[in-house]
Amino acid sequence: DAMVIQNPRYQVTQFGKPVTLSCSQTLNHNVMYWYQQKSSQAPKLLFHYYDKDFNNEADTPDNFQSRRPNTSFCFLDIRSPGLGDAAMYLCATSGARAGGFNQPQHFGDGTRLSIL
Amino acid sequence: ILNVEQSPQSLHVQEGDSTNFTCSFPSSNFYALHWYRWETAKSPEALFVMTLNGDEKKKGRISATLNTKEGYSYLYIKGSQPEDSATYLCASLFGNEKLTFGTGTRLTIIP
Repeated sequence: DAMVIQNPRYQVTQFGKPVTLSCSQTLNHNVMYWYQQKSSQAPKLLFHYYDKDFNNEADTPDNFQSRRPNTSFCFLDIRSPGLGDAAMYLCATSGARAGGFNQPQHFGDGTRLSIL
Repeated sequence: ILNVEQSPQSLHVQEGDSTNFTCSFPSSNFYALHWYRWETAKSPEALFVMTLNGDEKKKGRISATLNTKEGYSYLYIKGSQPEDSATYLCASLFGNEKLTFGTGTRLTIIP
């Protein structure tokens, strides 16, 4: 089945130690998104790629970077994680820019990041 | 700031009962309204995408309506089953082409 796969499901890292979360998709969708969701809050868009065109949200901290080496893969790099970065990170894809009008987003299972 | 509000935050419903909850969003510059179901330890799953005022969509026992003029959508579940227990997220697509999510309604079905 075509899907969005995130690795790992759970990630524990130390305060200040760089960490990379990965996302891959077999849907051949041109748009990929990274969301951060903290407990009881709405998922918050960090950035998205439209093909190789990177779009950063204005309030995404500089500490968060992303790479998309090809259509299938997208990475979220947190350069120096702080305690406030502990959250669920969701990757999603869609077949049109920002979900288009009729296109739903397809999500991975998420990576839950803990900071020690 | 574009706020999408969902109510209630959480809900407990007896198995077999029907229920509904609300998503409110700014009506200006509206393009689409998405509903997702998010079960624990799984990925959010798209239920509906609605664009037109008066839209009604149905998937099995779940249906949704949309009022773009007053800025709200209702999600209905008929004859709740244990497998309906999940968080239901709505998200609105505004003119800036970015989905803005609500905080979700956490539904628990009591057997």
